[in-house]
Amino acid sequence: DGGITQSPKYLFRKEGQNVTLSCEQNLNHDAMYWYRQDPGQGLRLIYYSQIVNDFQKGDIAEGYSVSREKKESFPLTVTSAQKNPTAFYLCASSGQGSNYGYTFGSGTRLTVV
Amino acid sequence: AQSVTQLDSQVPVFEEAPVELRCNYSSSVSVYLFWYVQYPNQGLQLLLKYLSGSTLVKGINGFEAEFNKSQTSFHLRKPSVHISDTAEYFCALTASGFQKLVFGTGTRLLVSP
Repeated sequence: DGGITQSPKYLFRKEGQNVTLSCEQNLNHDAMYWYRQDPGQGLRLIYYSQIVNDFQKGDIAEGYSVSREKKESFPLTVTSAQKNPTAFYLCASSGQGSNYGYTFGSGTRLTVV
Repeated sequence: AQSVTQLDSQVPVFEEAPVELRCNYSSSVSVYLFWYVQYPNQGLQLLLKYLSGSTLVKGINGFEAEFNKSQTSFHLRKPSVHISDTAEYFCALTASGFQKLVFGTGTRLLVSP
């Protein structure tokens, strides 16, 4: 079955560490997105990519980095510059055309310890 | 620019009662509208979408929504809710020709026995 796989489901980070969240899709979708979700704040866009080797900053890109070397993969790195990284992170993808909507992964919960 | 407003952050309702979750939007161009559901610690799942045609859209799990262009609304309804409908619901839109979705802040539906 086609879908989006996020791993790990739970991740713990020590202060000052970089961590990378994985997002893989087998839907042949061109566009991929990373969102951060905090209680009561809905979804906030971190980065998005519409084609391989190209990506754009979203609303809250500071302290995060991404790469898009393959169509199927869009990993997110939470750097030590992100001062409050504890959150639920969601990856999504969409096909050509704005009438597709998004397909979401099941999320990664990141906690700073 | 487009925006989505979900006025109710939380809606409590008794089991088997009807429910309406409100969504209003703002856009100077034509839009496609979506409702997503998120169960605890999971990703978002598409409930229904309005692209064109009939203004009454039926989705999964017995939900339906009505597009009202004059009132710029896309309210979600269910005639009889179940305990299992307890979740967070997000309204979203994208403008024709664009892929990026704009999300509302979400409404938490709490169904009690």
